[in-house]
Amino acid sequence: EAQVTQNPRYLITVTGKKLTVTCSQNMNHEYMSWYRQDPGLGLRQIYYSMNVEVTDKGDVPEGYKVSRKEKRNFPLILESPSPNQTSLYFCASSGPGQGSYNEQFFGPGTRLTVL
Amino acid sequence: AQSVTQPDIHITVSEGASLELRCNYSYGATPYLFWYVQSPGQGLQLLLKYFSGDTLVQGIKGFEAEFKRSQSSFNLRKPSVHWSDAAEYFCAVGTAQTGANNLFFGTGTRLTVIP
Repeated sequence: EAQVTQNPRYLITVTGKKLTVTCSQNMNHEYMSWYRQDPGLGLRQIYYSMNVEVTDKGDVPEGYKVSRKEKRNFPLILESPSPNQTSLYFCASSGPGQGSYNEQFFGPGTRLTVL
Repeated sequence: AQSVTQPDIHITVSEGASLELRCNYSYGATPYLFWYVQSPGQGLQLLLKYFSGDTLVQGIKGFEAEFKRSQSSFNLRKPSVHWSDAAEYFCAVGTAQTGANNLFFGTGTRLTVIP
């Protein structure tokens, strides 16, 4: 089944404790993104990647890191989480390449709470 | 830069009634337009998309949307709403360069369906 998976689905952590949210897709998509969803703000893009080893900032990159060492994986790293990063996070993928007019496929979301 | 406005934060309709969700975009060239639906606790699912051609687009679950360039709008419609349509709906825009790969989302419209 074609899908985007994220782990964990739920996470409660404390300020300053490094964490990683994994994202994997099995559709051989080149393009992957991370979004955060907050009430009243919709989805805002954090980072995106057009291919392996190619990443770029989205609209709200502060406090986040990403890497794209393999085509299928695009982990989101919070080096020192803060309470304002409490949010619902979505990973998405699309392809085959830049300017693809297909659709973005979304993962099920990760609900992160930072205390 | 592109942007999307969904002027209605929350809409309530009776089951069986018609529905129209508004979406206005800002983009200098021909936009690539999408409607996604997010059911409670779920990820985002694509309802329909517009790239070119016929301005009335049919999607899944009986939804349709009409692209009106003169009004910079892409409103979503359904002639008869079902209780299962209760969800949050997001309009999104992509550019000629990025297509579906890099989307800007509106803030969403939450739909409540009254039995």
